Amino acid sequence: SQELEQSPQSLIVQEGKNLTINCTSSKTLYGLYWYKQKYGEGLIFLMMLQKGGEEKSHEKITAKLDEKKQQSSLHITASQPSHAGIYLCGAPNSGGGADGLTFGKGTHLIIQP
Amino acid sequence: DGGITQSPKYLFRKEGQNVTLSCEQNLNHDAMYWYRQDPGQGLRLIYYSQIVNDFQKGDIAEGYSVSREKKESFPLTVTSAQKNPTAFYLCASSPRTSLNEQFFGPGTRLTVL
Repeated sequence: SQELEQSPQSLIVQEGKNLTINCTSSKTLYGLYWYKQKYGEGLIFLMMLQKGGEEKSHEKITAKLDEKKQQSSLHITASQPSHAGIYLCGAPNSGGGADGLTFGKGTHLIIQP
Repeated sequence: DGGITQSPKYLFRKEGQNVTLSCEQNLNHDAMYWYRQDPGQGLRLIYYSQIVNDFQKGDIAEGYSVSREKKESFPLTVTSAQKNPTAFYLCASSPRTSLNEQFFGPGTRLTVL
């Protein structure tokens, strides 16, 4: 079965600083999803990567899937308090994606003013 | 507005009792999923359904049951056989074909007293 390892587990960053979260898979990825979660709430979709080398951006968040499709990174530029939360990476259990996702354990991000 | 609703948000149950968590979506999605989240853990797949009247076990199906009688609804029953049911439960849905975003509901926090 596939396993996703996220690093770091937690991260405290001063407001305005940049940061990177990594997600490494034990197997080649069919695709990779990034979600954000506020404690006790549902997941908010950030972006999905499918092709090796693909990079997507949304506002100040950029995610990339490496060429070999076994690792993804999420980069936040000029962090803001609104970026605080839990970031989760998820990978489809099959190429079609309809049989669910396997998730990493998440990265807790705290933004210090 | 289209989306996924889960009810109730908080649920308390006595040991030995079965309890059913509701999940409804109006996105016209074929596939629906149930995940469980524990502190410090990522999401783990309990059950999923790709079409009405059909569902499959996920990684941690023991002690749980589901039904899919309507496209819009995918209720989860936590039975007394589930050894450690206290957790945060999340429902999701997605279009069945190809890789697509999974939309998540707000979650139900179940506490066994």
